[in-house]
Amino acid sequence: DAGVIQSPRHEVTEMGQEVTLRCKPISGHNSLFWYRQTMMRGLELLIYFNNNVPIDDSGMPEDRFSAKMPNASFSTLKIQPSEPRDSAVYFCASSLSGGVIGYTFGSGTRLTVV
Amino acid sequence: SQELEQSPQSLIVQEGKNLTINCTSSKTLYGLYWYKQKYGEGLIFLMMLQKGGEEKSHEKITAKLDEKKQQSSLHITASQPSHAGIYLCGATVHRIQGAQKLVFGQGTRLTINP
Repeated sequence: DAGVIQSPRHEVTEMGQEVTLRCKPISGHNSLFWYRQTMMRGLELLIYFNNNVPIDDSGMPEDRFSAKMPNASFSTLKIQPSEPRDSAVYFCASSLSGGVIGYTFGSGTRLTVV
Repeated sequence: SQELEQSPQSLIVQEGKNLTINCTSSKTLYGLYWYKQKYGEGLIFLMMLQKGGEEKSHEKITAKLDEKKQQSSLHITASQPSHAGIYLCGATVHRIQGAQKLVFGQGTRLTINP
């Protein structure tokens, strides 16, 4: 199994531009999570999906952030427009049956907004 | 909301020494997860604990969940340079089926001096 695949690994963009982060969960996993990690705030849960349906998006910081999961094998996190304070590492994770066998994380996307 | 406190925030130990990292929850834990993260990389799943009093070991790392299920400890015996990194505890706080929120503590940065 290739694990959770995130792309791109690194993204540098100018303030105001739209940014789209992508995630392919492990095949068969039915839950998907988007996290953001910064030095100041640690690892924060932004949103999570179960069976492609958003369950809790209370962690999404602003309306500039949106996430979709059109099918079981793909999810996107979009920031529009991006701001310098959005700079962070964004992780995607997937799990099966509520994490009974653990949550598997991708390698993350390091976003820098200049 | 669920809060996880990890202590210490950082730890520097001599190679070969034992060490313990603690994770305390403000609510009853239904699932407690330990992850390790190297700088710039994703999270590596170490262990999951669910039952009060449960203890699991992998190589030189042992994790315990206390009887009241509000605290967990991670103990490393005879530390090695490969143990260096950031250790994160994560927890699910709802006893429901399906997708559950996994929230994290701030992490403990472990440095091993040769």
